[in-house]
Amino acid sequence: SQQGEEDPQALSIQEGENATMNCSYKTSINNLQWYRQNSGRGLVHLILIRSNEREKHSGRLRVTLDTSKKSSSLLITASRAADTASYFCATLAGNTPLVFGKGTRLSVIA
Amino acid sequence: GAVVSQHPSWVICKSGTSVKIECRSLDFQATTMFWYRQFPKQSLMLMATSNEGSKATYEQGVEKDKFLINHASLTLSTLTVTSAHPEDSSFYICSAKETGTEAFFGQGTRLTVV
Repeated sequence: SQQGEEDPQALSIQEGENATMNCSYKTSINNLQWYRQNSGRGLVHLILIRSNEREKHSGRLRVTLDTSKKSSSLLITASRAADTASYFCATLAGNTPLVFGKGTRLSVIA
Repeated sequence: GAVVSQHPSWVICKSGTSVKIECRSLDFQATTMFWYRQFPKQSLMLMATSNEGSKATYEQGVEKDKFLINHASLTLSTLTVTSAHPEDSSFYICSAKETGTEAFFGQGTRLTVV
């Protein structure tokens, strides 16, 4: 069953603005991962945050995790047109496979 | 990160024919491989999980006789779509992992059945 639910479903911003996407999940997890997918292409792993971590940074990406609320957020700062893509969160619990949310479609307008 | 190669990237086939998609882990031993399907503008849905040397475990609603999965070695898993029909047209993505590590994804295969 679907675990992660991203919010919003679609987001359109101007280049240079920050983009924030949220993800909520239902059960306890080992870690939560964020992926990017350009239209019709494969997945690109962006960042992994473990259940005992609260925040991680990678370049222009900042991910937070609140296990008490079962939610995570992905912040892309100073967005670029090349950031236009769909972003998915995926959760891992035990030895189960990743369960993906429905994704947020981000459009960055130059 | 580890590399997972998926082949072909895209394939067009006639209705009723079978198509084989390969998923290879290039620099690690994939004890477990996962196959996902993704319809346009939808999320990835897990189809099946395969462990090397054993039969695949299919998710509910996925026809195991139609989507044949073979994981005969630690570096290769194949998904064969048998007697493909237009409704099987989709984007198929594999991922592979070693025990205790995160999963890495292939580039995906776009299947179009005409």
